[in-house]
Amino acid sequence: GDSVTQMEGPVTLSEEAFLTINCTYTATGYPSLFWYVQYPGEGLQLLLKATKADDKGSNKGFEATYRKETTSFHLEKGSVQVSDSAVYFCALSDSDYKLSFGAGTTVTVRA
Amino acid sequence: DTAVSQTPKYLVTQMGNDKSIKCEQNLGHDTMYWYKQDSKKFLKIMFSYNNKELIINETVPNRFSPKSPDKAHLNLHINSLELGDSAVYFCASSGGQGVYGYTFGSGTRLTVV
Repeated sequence: GDSVTQMEGPVTLSEEAFLTINCTYTATGYPSLFWYVQYPGEGLQLLLKATKADDKGSNKGFEATYRKETTSFHLEKGSVQVSDSAVYFCALSDSDYKLSFGAGTTVTVRA
Repeated sequence: DTAVSQTPKYLVTQMGNDKSIKCEQNLGHDTMYWYKQDSKKFLKIMFSYNNKELIINETVPNRFSPKSPDKAHLNLHINSLELGDSAVYFCASSGGQGVYGYTFGSGTRLTVV
């Protein structure tokens, strides 16, 4: 079945540091890939998405590129802020009415 | 306007009780979902409804019964609550099969004591 593996946290960074969260996937078809973010005490928000190979999703300074050859969708941000502290989830949807999530990576940014 | 709204936000109840969580979406989506987030933040799908028809029913105890009176509403009823049911329950919706993304509600934190 479909699955998502993302790097384990927690990750602690200083402000303005570079953030990378690795995500790889296994799917039988051609899935859409997503990054969701969950701020403390809140629900899940769609951060960015890519629906086909080589697509780059971007939002709020975050980027991720759909790499079919390496089955990856790594999340990056060049300069993080304290407000980026959250749990980040990589997810995929394979046209089967199901969104499969990775385990989540907790990111803490210190001033 | 809230796109996916669920109530209540918090629910504290005793073991053995029956409780319901309600969800409504105003996005015109055809498909709605219930997800469970455990204490380690892991998210797992429980149910999926497309146009009021149940299409995904994961290995969830039959104490959990979803109901979709119309495609804009999906409720979750839980009978005989157990300590292990304590979690955050998220409702979500998507257009079609979800390849363009899912919109989530803000969650219901259920605590069984």
